[in-house]
Amino acid sequence: SQTIHQWPATLVQPVGSPLSLECTVEGTSNPNLYWYRQAAGRGLQLLFYSVGIGQISSEVPQNLSASRPQDRQFILSSKKLLLSDSGFYLCASQVPRSPDTQYFGPGTRLTVL
Amino acid sequence: SQQGEEDPQALSIQEGENATMNCSYKTSINNLQWYRQNSGRGLVHLILIRSNEREKHSGRLRVTLDTSKKSSSLLITASRAADTASYFCATAPNSGGSNYKLTFGKGTLLTVNP
Repeated sequence: SQTIHQWPATLVQPVGSPLSLECTVEGTSNPNLYWYRQAAGRGLQLLFYSVGIGQISSEVPQNLSASRPQDRQFILSSKKLLLSDSGFYLCASQVPRSPDTQYFGPGTRLTVL
Repeated sequence: SQQGEEDPQALSIQEGENATMNCSYKTSINNLQWYRQNSGRGLVHLILIRSNEREKHSGRLRVTLDTSKKSSSLLITASRAADTASYFCATAPNSGGSNYKLTFGKGTLLTVNP
């Protein structure tokens, strides 16, 4: 089965600082990868997804970007954080052509001050 | 707009009771899934029901799907304190091929009191 790693687990950053969150996947190859953001007490908002190396689709216009430099690595970045970027960021993996189950990492709690 | 909407937003029951959560959606789906999230953690997949299925069981979980009403329900029988978590439904679009994107609801917070 798949294992999704995310780091850091918790991050406190000042407004205007850069951001880099990393997600790596074990136990599968060529997965679809996803970044979600979850505001407190809310559902998940899909930010980006990727079906292959270098292939990124953005779901909502925002201050963030994503990259997939390797098959099982997905990075979420920002050049200058905003207060509204605070939230719980989740990475997920899905094996194509199998039931559409997504496997989630443990998440990163980002607080922008 | 949100594809999946869970109801109720919060549910508090006593251990041993059954818990029922509902999910409504708007567009045609390939399948509907239920996930669980413990506080501050990632989501864990519980069960998937396809659009041509009406009911599915897994342990203490029972899921129903009514595509005519565009709704699903998740029943947890004989609840335990450890079932305390948020439960989300997610829908996969009926677009053919690999279903890349799931649309998640806002979730139901279930509290099971000992």
